Amino acid sequence: GNSVTQMEGPVTLSEEAFLTINCTYTATGYPSLFWYVQYPGEGLQLLLKATKADDKGSNKGFEATYRKETTSFHLEKGSVQVSDSAVYFCALIPTRAQGAQKLVFGQGTRLTINP
Amino acid sequence: SAVISQKPSRDICQRGTSLTIQCQVDSQVTMMFWYRQQPGQSLTLIATANQGSEATYESGFVIDKFPISRPNLTFSTLTVSNMSPEDSSIYLCSVQDRVAYEQYFGPGTRLTVT
Repeated sequence: GNSVTQMEGPVTLSEEAFLTINCTYTATGYPSLFWYVQYPGEGLQLLLKATKADDKGSNKGFEATYRKETTSFHLEKGSVQVSDSAVYFCALIPTRAQGAQKLVFGQGTRLTINP
Repeated sequence: SAVISQKPSRDICQRGTSLTIQCQVDSQVTMMFWYRQQPGQSLTLIATANQGSEATYESGFVIDKFPISRPNLTFSTLTVSNMSPEDSSIYLCSVQDRVAYEQYFGPGTRLTVT
């Protein structure tokens, strides 16, 4: 079946540190991959996406590259800020096909950035 | 991207009662989705709601417990029926942009059942 596995949290870093949150997936065909962010008390916001192998999604200083050979979509940021503290979800949509496309979520990684 | 609002934003309810959550979108969309996020957990899809047809429920969710309406292309409701403390969760609606191939989420409804 289709599934997403994220690194265990919580993750705590100091401001300006380098961030990596690992995400690997299992899916048939060619899924589209997403990172969502949930700030405290809010809904989910789409952070970035990649729809085919070797695509790099980027937004707000975050990046993730779709690696089909390793079935991974790791989230990175070179210098984190306190305002990046949130829960990050890796997700996939199994195939780019007609009909309802159901997001499959990882378990989420809580990130805390200390000043 | 679509702008989605939900009402209420939060509620505290007695067990055995029902709560209806509203989801309003600022543009017409074909597919809307309802998710549940239990405390400290990831999101679980409850059902997919298409306008003019019955909602499609995921395994473990039934219409009697979570009836859904979808009267038009910009609005949907989810009812949580005969609530128990186990229903305490955040309930989120989302919509799909089929052109951009992205899903957007509402701010969520935080439900506490006592």
